[in-house]
Amino acid sequence: SQTIHQWPATLVQPVGSPLSLECTVEGTSNPNLYWYRQAAGRGLQLLFYSVGIGQISSEVPQNLSASRPQDRQFILSSKKLLLSDSGFYLCAWSRPRESGYTFGSGTRLTVV
Amino acid sequence: KQEVTQIPAALSVPEGENLVLNCSFTDSAIYNLQWFRQDPGKGLTSLLLIQSSQREQTSGRLNASLDKSSGRSTLYIAASQPGDSATYLCADLSGESGGYNKLIFGAGTRLAVHP
Repeated sequence: SQTIHQWPATLVQPVGSPLSLECTVEGTSNPNLYWYRQAAGRGLQLLFYSVGIGQISSEVPQNLSASRPQDRQFILSSKKLLLSDSGFYLCAWSRPRESGYTFGSGTRLTVV
Repeated sequence: KQEVTQIPAALSVPEGENLVLNCSFTDSAIYNLQWFRQDPGKGLTSLLLIQSSQREQTSGRLNASLDKSSGRSTLYIAASQPGDSATYLCADLSGESGGYNKLIFGAGTRLAVHP
């Protein structure tokens, strides 16, 4: 069976510090991978998606970047965090050309 | 551009009631529809997935239906329990583009079931 791991679960970082959130998927190959953000009181917003190694697409301009160094690894990064980067970050995967998403457990990021 | 609206935004009911949560879309050309549950501070758990050729799906006390002609989906929860308390999200999986499916979410319905 497939599983998705996301870490850390919570993170408190000062403004201007770097960020690295990691997501890995097990039990499948060549998954589509996604990063979503859920800001307080707001809906889920797609940040990045990837259909293969090194292939990253961004949905919205922002202070964040994403990378996919391996088939089942997806990393969300920032060089300098802003207060507005605070939120709940969710990684997800789906099979290419098939329906249905599976989400990770999320990372609560608080920038102080 | 697809927009998803969920009504009501919040719902508080006594245990045992049957519930209907609503989801509507501005673009009725829905590819597939997925319902999720989110507990406070947690990730999303998939409840039901309705593929484009289907009209409804059932899992235990949950039943989700999709009416593409009207651009609406409903999630029916039978005999609600306190453990059903959570936020329920519906999402439209937009048509394939470059080999991926984009989820467009509603803002959710926050459900509280009290004993």
